[in-house]
Amino acid sequence: AQTVTQSQPEMSVQEAETVTLSCTYDTSESDYYLFWYKQPPSRQMILVIRQEAYKQQNATENRFSVNFQKAAKSFSLKISDSQLGDAAMYFCAYRGSQGNLIFGKGTKLSVKP
Amino acid sequence: GAVVSQHPSRVICKSGTSVKIECRSLDFQATTMFWYRQFPKQSLMLMATSNEGSKATYEQGVEKDKFLINHASLTLSTLTVTSAHPEDSSFYICSASHGQGYQPQHFGDGTRLSIL
Repeated sequence: AQTVTQSQPEMSVQEAETVTLSCTYDTSESDYYLFWYKQPPSRQMILVIRQEAYKQQNATENRFSVNFQKAAKSFSLKISDSQLGDAAMYFCAYRGSQGNLIFGKGTKLSVKP
Repeated sequence: GAVVSQHPSRVICKSGTSVKIECRSLDFQATTMFWYRQFPKQSLMLMATSNEGSKATYEQGVEKDKFLINHASLTLSTLTVTSAHPEDSSFYICSASHGQGYQPQHFGDGTRLSIL
């Protein structure tokens, strides 16, 4: 069975600085997707970024980028120029052949002004 | 595009009541819908997967007679919590996707269920 591990329950970053959230996963599949979701206090699930496992190039979306290391089964999220609105829970998620998402336990990100 | 509407957003009701939550895809055909449950300060846990016109597939430990899922059309799935009790209080969130495999999932805004 696939598992997703987020080892940082909480992280803090100064406004305008850069922070990296870590995520590791375990799978025997070779083809899959990885995602980072943001959940603000409103509890909406907002897709931040996604990575196809067959792509070697790391995905980027404006201030958000990932460091995808397939061999190490690692998928970290880097947030550059952090903003107050980035404060939220961040969930790493795996999606394999069955189609459902498997979530990590989440990292609560605080942004200090 | 790809909007999923979930209703109601908040429910407060007495113990023993059955509660129905709707999940609608507004601008695409949702061949597959997923229902998740989230306890406070915890992650989302998949409860069941439903494909249009088929019986839902429940995750281990989820009571199918307790949590009735219907996916009768390509735009609507419902979750009914039957004879709800305080321990059923939680945040329930649905997601929908079109097609099989690696199609993206689009989330509803969730339903906060409180059983008194």
